[in-house]
Amino acid sequence: AQSVTQLGSHVSVSEGALVLLRCNYSSSVPPYLFWYVQYPNQGLQLLLKYTTGATLVKGINGFEAEFKKSETSFHLTKPSAHMSDAAEYFCAVTLTGTASKLTFGTGTRLQVTL
Amino acid sequence: AAGVIQSPRHLIKEKRETATLKCYPIPRHDTVYWYQQGPGQDPQFLISFYEKMQSDKGSIPDRFSAQQFSDYHSELNMSSLELGDSALYFCASSWASGAGYTFGSGTRLTVV
Repeated sequence: AQSVTQLGSHVSVSEGALVLLRCNYSSSVPPYLFWYVQYPNQGLQLLLKYTTGATLVKGINGFEAEFKKSETSFHLTKPSAHMSDAAEYFCAVTLTGTASKLTFGTGTRLQVTL
Repeated sequence: AAGVIQSPRHLIKEKRETATLKCYPIPRHDTVYWYQQGPGQDPQFLISFYEKMQSDKGSIPDRFSAQQFSDYHSELNMSSLELGDSALYFCASSWASGAGYTFGSGTRLTVV
């Protein structure tokens, strides 16, 4: 079975500061990893994903994440936070294979202050 | 580009009533997933269908059932509704693992 752990249910950064949201995964086989963002009362929007190949993945809105197998991590970063980045962020994992479900972490709420 | 369509967007039901949620996947996507997200919670997997057959089952109550039809749309049927069923219900579709799961905007179910 696969799982993800998000460290920190709430993260607060100043506008313009580095954003770092942590995600560690557990999987018996090489996983596929995802980051989703959810704004209040809205659906889940894909930020980025790692399947195979380059371990540094760039996504939308200036976010990127690096797959580190040795650390079983897939942390999400953004060099400079913007007020519009305030949202809930979910890390998710799935196994390779047809119709494999996504398993989500418990989420991290990002607050951006002036 | 076409997205995953869910209907209705909002639904208010009384306890012990039934509800039917619909999901229309992206064309040519052959897999549909249903998730339940309670207030302040992460999405919990309920059930999935691949090529119209149930492929996986999560924490779905026996009061709930789902199916995928010949046109690949899916319906989640919920009976004997309880207050605790109040949540945001998401549908997602994909055509292959790793290709990305596209989520619909969700159906917000409120049970009163």
